[in-house]
Amino acid sequence: GDSVTQMEGPVTLSEEAFLTINCTYTATGYPSLFWYVQYPGEGLQLLLKATKADDKGSNKGFEATYRKETTSFHLEKGSVQVSDSAVYFCALSDQGGAGSYQLTFGKGTKLSVIP
Amino acid sequence: EPEVTQTPSHQVTQMGQEVILRCVPISNHLYFYWYRQILGQKVEFLVSFYNNEISEKSEIFDDQFSVERPDGSNFTLKIRSTKLEDSAMYFCASRIEEGPYEQYFGPGTRLTVT
Repeated sequence: GDSVTQMEGPVTLSEEAFLTINCTYTATGYPSLFWYVQYPGEGLQLLLKATKADDKGSNKGFEATYRKETTSFHLEKGSVQVSDSAVYFCALSDQGGAGSYQLTFGKGTKLSVIP
Repeated sequence: EPEVTQTPSHQVTQMGQEVILRCVPISNHLYFYWYRQILGQKVEFLVSFYNNEISEKSEIFDDQFSVERPDGSNFTLKIRSTKLEDSAMYFCASRIEEGPYEQYFGPGTRLTVT
């Protein structure tokens, strides 16, 4: 079945450091790929998405490129801020029964940014 | 901005009791989901619901679980006889239309079974 593997955390960075969180996937079809973020005490929010190979999703300075040849969707940000401290989840969506498109998540990576 | 809401935020129950977790999806959305996250583990898909019936369910979603959309606005998850291992954060999500569009998540209900 489908699966998502992302780098284990926690990750601690200083403000303005470069961020990479690795994510690879296994899927039988042609999935769409997502990064969700969970701030403390809140639900999951979509950060960015890509629906086909070579698409680049971007939002709030974060980027990720859908690489079909390496089955990867790594999250990057050039300069992190304290407000980026959160848990980041990589996920894929593949067509299930009756167009379900349920999400398959990675385990999440906790990011802490220190001033 | 419309959002998915869930109640209660925290539910404590004894083993063997029935619980109902409630969600109000975004009003014009058509697809509804329940996921759960056991502490320290992955967010796992439980069930999807469309056109008043289950469209997909995972192996976790056994006969102890049921879902309902009783009144066109609420979407509920019932666990008939809770077990210790049902302790988790339960997330409701909804999606507007056909295709791999984003799902909007609620803040979650933390279920603690003692």
